[in-house]
Amino acid sequence: GENVEQHPSTLSVQEGDSAVIKCTYSDSASNYFPWYKQELGKRPQLIIDIRSNVGEKKDQRIAVTLNKTAKHFSLHITETQPEDSAVYFCAAFNQGGKLIFGQGTELSVKP
Amino acid sequence: DTAVSQTPKYLVTQMGNDKSIKCEQNLGHDTMYWYKQDSKKFLKIMFSYNNKELIINETVPNRFSPKSPDKAHLNLHINSLELGDSAVYFCASSPTGYGHYGYTFGSGTRLTVV
Repeated sequence: GENVEQHPSTLSVQEGDSAVIKCTYSDSASNYFPWYKQELGKRPQLIIDIRSNVGEKKDQRIAVTLNKTAKHFSLHITETQPEDSAVYFCAAFNQGGKLIFGQGTELSVKP
Repeated sequence: DTAVSQTPKYLVTQMGNDKSIKCEQNLGHDTMYWYKQDSKKFLKIMFSYNNKELIINETVPNRFSPKSPDKAHLNLHINSLELGDSAVYFCASSPTGYGHYGYTFGSGTRLTVV
């Protein structure tokens, strides 16, 4: 079945640095790739998404890239701030109608 | 004015009991889901309903039974609770079952089985 691998599981950066989280997926028919941010004790919230006909998308300090050939997609956060600290999940939506999540990355931004 | 609301937020119960979690969305979405988030934060889909029809039923013990009385509601009933059922259960909804739009999650129900 569909599998989404996410790395790293934990990431610690200094405020102002960039953070990159990478995911790979197994189902080549996957066509939609959202990213969610989950703060401690809160619900996952959609922060950005990308569809399979686009290679890159940017929204202020966050950007996503997609390499369909390699079945990789990544989240880039620039100029990180302490409030960016959270668990980030990538996900891939496959033709089977399921949104499959990666294992999560705990990002810690140190002031 | 919460878009996806779940009740209760916390649930502590003894092994062997039966409990229900309720979910309602006011977004007009056609599809609703139940996800389980374990202690390692992994989010795993359990069920999905589209317009009251079950469309995804993952390998979940049959002690778990979803019910969708209408497309705005999706409840989860759990029989004979076990210690391993302890987790946070999230309800979510999306406009269609095709997932080309982000899911909106509820605030979660933290279930603790003692």
